[in-house]
Amino acid sequence: KQEVTQIPAALSVPEGENLVLNCSFTDSAIYNLQWFRQDPGKGLTSLLLIQSSQREQTSGRLNASLDKSSGRSTLYIAASQPGDSATYLCAVVHNYGQNFVFGPGTRLSVLP
Amino acid sequence: GAVVSQHPSWVICKSGTSVKIECRSLDFQATTMFWYRQFPKQSLMLMATSNEGSKATYEQGVEKDKFLINHASLTLSTLTVTSAHPEDSSFYICSAGRTSGYIQYFGAGTRLSVL
Repeated sequence: KQEVTQIPAALSVPEGENLVLNCSFTDSAIYNLQWFRQDPGKGLTSLLLIQSSQREQTSGRLNASLDKSSGRSTLYIAASQPGDSATYLCAVVHNYGQNFVFGPGTRLSVLP
Repeated sequence: GAVVSQHPSWVICKSGTSVKIECRSLDFQATTMFWYRQFPKQSLMLMATSNEGSKATYEQGVEKDKFLINHASLTLSTLTVTSAHPEDSSFYICSAGRTSGYIQYFGAGTRLSVL
């Protein structure tokens, strides 16, 4: 059974810092991996989607990498801003057409 | 881009009543939709897989008679929480996948509060 973990559980940084969020999954046979952002009491905002054949994806200040063989992904946030404060969720799809398995999330606070 | 609409966004009900939540794929057909539940300060957990024209598949520990799922068309799945109790208070969110490339899109979620 696929299990997804995220480290750290919570992170508090001053504005402007670069930071890395980590995601690990136990079964490396994934179809894709996606990073989401969730604001308190809100739904999910998709940040980056990495297909199993890809090694990284970039969008603005965000960069996500995928090392499928080791079961790891990282989300790099450059020049963090207070508006980046949210919970970041990592999720994997095991096979085509199947559901996401979510990690527990990293709660990020960027202090002004 | 593809949009998944979920309604209502927030519902408050009395204990013992039933609540229906709708999940619609607005610009694509979805043979499969997924329903997730998120308790406060926890991550999303899959409740069930909704299959168009057939019975839903429920995850272990999810009562199928309490959480009724109907996927009557390729664009609509409904989740009905029957005889809701305070412990059913949670954030419910659906997702649907576009066949091509299989990218899943999430609804905005429904916050259920049972008094």
